[in-house]
Amino acid sequence: DADVTQTPRNRITKTGKRIMLECSQTKGHDRMYWYRQDPGLGLRLIYYSFDVKDINKGEISDGYSVSRQAQAKFSLSLESAIPNQTALYFCATRAPGGELFFGEGSRLTVL
Amino acid sequence: KNQVEQSPQSLIILEGKNCTLQCNYTVSPFSNLRWYKQDTGRGPVSLTIMTFSENTKSNGRYTATLDADTKQSSLHITASQLSDSASYICVVSHSGTYKYIFGTGTRLKVLA
Repeated sequence: DADVTQTPRNRITKTGKRIMLECSQTKGHDRMYWYRQDPGLGLRLIYYSFDVKDINKGEISDGYSVSRQAQAKFSLSLESAIPNQTALYFCATRAPGGELFFGEGSRLTVL
Repeated sequence: KNQVEQSPQSLIILEGKNCTLQCNYTVSPFSNLRWYKQDTGRGPVSLTIMTFSENTKSNGRYTATLDADTKQSSLHITASQLSDSASYICVVSHSGTYKYIFGTGTRLKVLA
């Protein structure tokens, strides 16, 4: 099994729908991140969490929310999806030495 | 402004040939620089880390260099293989913060 698991891997939805992307990890890392990847752009930080009680906005948090249900689980929600949120989303954990471990990605299409 | 720029954007080479990918950064203060490999449809995976005091580091056929004075790094791939076809992303850590600054990547295609 993968160390960082994302579900769903692919999702097509309609404008205005609520979407949740889930992430779970077996690395035992405290720090978790949600990134968005768009063609021609570097990964951009949406939200990050240093532990269950510490959640922070990243550079592009508008339109998104997160929940850290446990050390191992970090979910990303789109309350009302819009077409420009169509992207590839990555969850990552951070090892103590700073290396990021990424999930396989969740490809979201908003029609 | 903290930025990471990579060149070229894309590269096509024949199997067995060598290639070099470039990364220039303006991130300050600098903590370290990592190269990640991202296969199509997969998450990025770390290849190597370069700290301020390191000039060269190898990981198999991958050799990374860092010039902290000019704020440049390169990733050299020796004797390329078809499996090297991927995007290579340069990521710079901002010292003392949570921040990782990502380059846009170089897309490498190795042809048989």
